Order: sequence, then structure tokens, then C-alpha cells
Amino acid sequence: AQSVTQLDSHVSVSEGTPVLLRCNYSSSYSPSLFWYVQHPNKGLQLLLKYTSAATLVKGINGFEAEFKKSETSFHLTKPSAHMSDAAEYFCVVREGFQKLVFGTGTRLLVSP
Amino acid sequence: NAGVMQNPRHLVRRRGQEARLRCSPMKGHSHVYWYRQLPEEGLKFMVYLQKENIIDESGMPKERFSAEFPKEGPSILRIQQVVRGDSAAYFCASSPRGLLSYEQYFGPGTRLTVT
Repeated sequence: AQSVTQLDSHVSVSEGTPVLLRCNYSSSYSPSLFWYVQHPNKGLQLLLKYTSAATLVKGINGFEAEFKKSETSFHLTKPSAHMSDAAEYFCVVREGFQKLVFGTGTRLLVSP
Repeated sequence: NAGVMQNPRHLVRRRGQEARLRCSPMKGHSHVYWYRQLPEEGLKFMVYLQKENIIDESGMPKERFSAEFPKEGPSILRIQQVVRGDSAAYFCASSPRGLLSYEQYFGPGTRLTVT
């Protein structure tokens, strides 16, 4: 079975500083990996996805993630945090054809 | 193009009552997925449906829960005789095909509170 582990339940940054949200995956084959963002009382929005093409994946709102097979990691980064980035972020792996397996989430707090 | 619609957005039920959650997929999407998010947890897969077919219900509790996606109308997640532990956010997602290349688009969720 596929799984993902989000290493931090909360991350706090100041506006304008870099963001790093960590995710490690476990998969018996080449995985499909995603990052979703959830703003309070809202649905989930896809930030980016990795499907065995380029290992550095660029997403929306300046986010990107790098797939590192040797480290089984798929960390999410952004060079400069914005107040509007404050939200819950989920690292997700696809299991089988269509089932998504979610991590427990990382809450990003951005202070002025 | 309207996104995935879910209603109601908030639902309050007393223990023992029935809860019906509705999901209208995006236009042109014929695949629907239901996920449940318990407080302070990630989403957990419940069921995957195509029109008139249940493809994968491996995440559905064995009792009291059922789902359908009829030929016409929205997909329905039904919870009979609700208990406090059913309180959660229920999210629906849809995709145009059941293939690896198609992402799932999520609705805003229904927040069920059982009193």
C-alpha cells in the first residue's frame, strides 16, 4: 500500500521568507504524487502533481516540489511566503488507478 | 464551468437520524469519489463510483453507509442512524475519466455535525 508522511504538523514563517513543507512517501513502484491546499472551510485545490516526468514540478502561486527517489521525498517549497498562503497543505499519493491517499496535513502559519 | 457542487454545506443531525449528502460533479465528469475528513486528520477515501456503478467501496464502513450515482441526478452519500463519530467533513471529487492522467477536482465539502 502507498502512504505519505508529513513530517511537520505546523510550520510558522514570516511573510517574505521561504517556505518548506516536508513529505516522505512509501511506494512499491513509481508513484504519482500531489500537493493540495485547503483554506479554512473551503474545498481542496490542487497545487501541483508529479507523474514521472520532470523531477522538479512547478505549481500554482509560486509553489514547486522536487521528487527525490533516493530520499523518497517530495517536499513543497516557495521562495517567499505571502499572507494568503496560510492554509492546510496535504501531500497525497495515488494508490491504484484512482484512490488518493492523504497525509495528515501541515498547517502553514504566516506572520506579518 | 461550475465546479463540483455539494449540498448542504452544513448539516446537523441528532443521533439515530439519517444524513443525505449530495454531490454534483463538474460538467462532463462521470466519475465521483467520496472522502471523509475527521477533525485534525487528513482525508480518507471512502468510495469511487461511475454512473450507476460502484467501482471501489473499500473505504466505506460496512454498516449504515451507502453511496449511489444514478444515471440522472447527483451522487448521494447516505448515512443511516448517525452516531457522534460520524461528525466530519465529507468531500466529493470528480474526474472526467478513471485514468491515471486525470486529476480529481474537489467540492467545498459538507460538514456533518451529529448532536
